[in-house]
Amino acid sequence: DVKVTQSSRYLVKRTGEKVFLECVQDMDHENMFWYRQDPGLGLRLIYFSYDVKMKEKGDIPEGYSVSREKKERFSLILESASTNQTSMYLCASSPGLSTGELFFGEGSRLTVL
Amino acid sequence: KNQVEQSPQSLIILEGKNCTLQCNYTVSPFSNLRWYKQDTGRGPVSLTIMTFSENTKSNGRYTATLDADTKQSSLHITASQLSDSASYICVVSPPGVTGGGNKLTFGTGTQLKVEL
Repeated sequence: DVKVTQSSRYLVKRTGEKVFLECVQDMDHENMFWYRQDPGLGLRLIYFSYDVKMKEKGDIPEGYSVSREKKERFSLILESASTNQTSMYLCASSPGLSTGELFFGEGSRLTVL
Repeated sequence: KNQVEQSPQSLIILEGKNCTLQCNYTVSPFSNLRWYKQDTGRGPVSLTIMTFSENTKSNGRYTATLDADTKQSSLHITASQLSDSASYICVVSPPGVTGGGNKLTFGTGTQLKVEL
């Protein structure tokens, strides 16, 4: 079975803290993505990666960075968390040649106080 | 700007009843349209995919339809069950998305609750 695993389901952090969200997929997919999901706004793309050590900005990259040192792992970093980054974060992957189907992780709900 | 609008925003139905969720999009041209189901606290899971040339696609009690001329899709759920309670998200993909994901346009979803 296809599996995308996000390391933390729930996190509570304080303003200014550095936050790491990790995502691992076991499907040998080339593409990985980080989205945030907020009520009424749907899923918005933060960053994506088509290959190891490659990254591209999505629609809302401000305040975030990413790292992809290995094909199976894609990390989202909040250098200095702010309250407006309180959200559900979803990691997804897809194969290199894709019909657009994304395989999502369970999500990481981050609360920044 | 490409948009995907879903209606209703939320819906409550009794178990065993049927319901239909709507998706209107402005993405043009497009390659395919997909419906995802997202259970509370979980990630979305793909239910159906339709290309621009398809009119209908079924997956068990879920039937999706597509009218490419009017840019509308619907998801019909037959004989609803409690486990159908979830958010249903419509996603449109433009042509040439070989990698997938970075050009997708997501709807904001319809929250369905099935009650006894």
